[in-house]
Amino acid sequence: NAGVTQTPKFRILKIGQSMTLQCTQDMNHNYMYWYRQDPGMGLKLIYYSVGAGITDKGEVPNGYNVSRSTTEDFPLRLELAAPSQTSVYFCASRAGGEQYFGPGTRLTVT
Amino acid sequence: QKEVEQDPGPLSVPEGAIVSLNCTYSNSAFQYFMWYRQYSRKGPELLMYTYSSGNKEDGRFTAQVDKSSKYISLFIRDSQPSDSATYLCAMCGTGGFKTIFGAGTRLFVKA
Repeated sequence: NAGVTQTPKFRILKIGQSMTLQCTQDMNHNYMYWYRQDPGMGLKLIYYSVGAGITDKGEVPNGYNVSRSTTEDFPLRLELAAPSQTSVYFCASRAGGEQYFGPGTRLTVT
Repeated sequence: QKEVEQDPGPLSVPEGAIVSLNCTYSNSAFQYFMWYRQYSRKGPELLMYTYSSGNKEDGRFTAQVDKSSKYISLFIRDSQPSDSATYLCAMCGTGGFKTIFGAGTRLFVKA
């Protein structure tokens, strides 16, 4: 049971670089989410999607972009990385009351 | 006022104690109620979810929902040091897109 998978696990970026965080789920869930979690803090919603081709902003979307071309995949794009984007990023998918998270990507921007 | 309130703790208990974790909420449209456990440097792990009111039991864990009071609880019986983690409550409406999370309660179970 793969569930929600994320790559990479770790990444160090220089200021101004760009990268894509990958997220894939194999549960055929329509709802998918991207969160960031700063040390000792709660989860903040970046973007979410209710199905292929449909995405919307969460609480903290600035500096990020998403796309959802298939049910399975929901990549998160960081453009012009800034130190404030240093965080742990979690992808999740949900059906009804069951929301499952991926293992996270630990990103450092220096 | 936040939609979901959860005491961040920390909560420290001796091994074998019964632990009670709680959240209050303000949106009466919430129908799904979830509890997650998050170990340090790991992703949140879904422990239990309930639909609408009532109790649900799974091993040492019991989830309770009181919709009239807008109050949910997670009880951990015979707590173990391995239960030391942050516990997050979460909830959403039947037709709601967003899941609303509590801030998480840090639990320490001392051997």
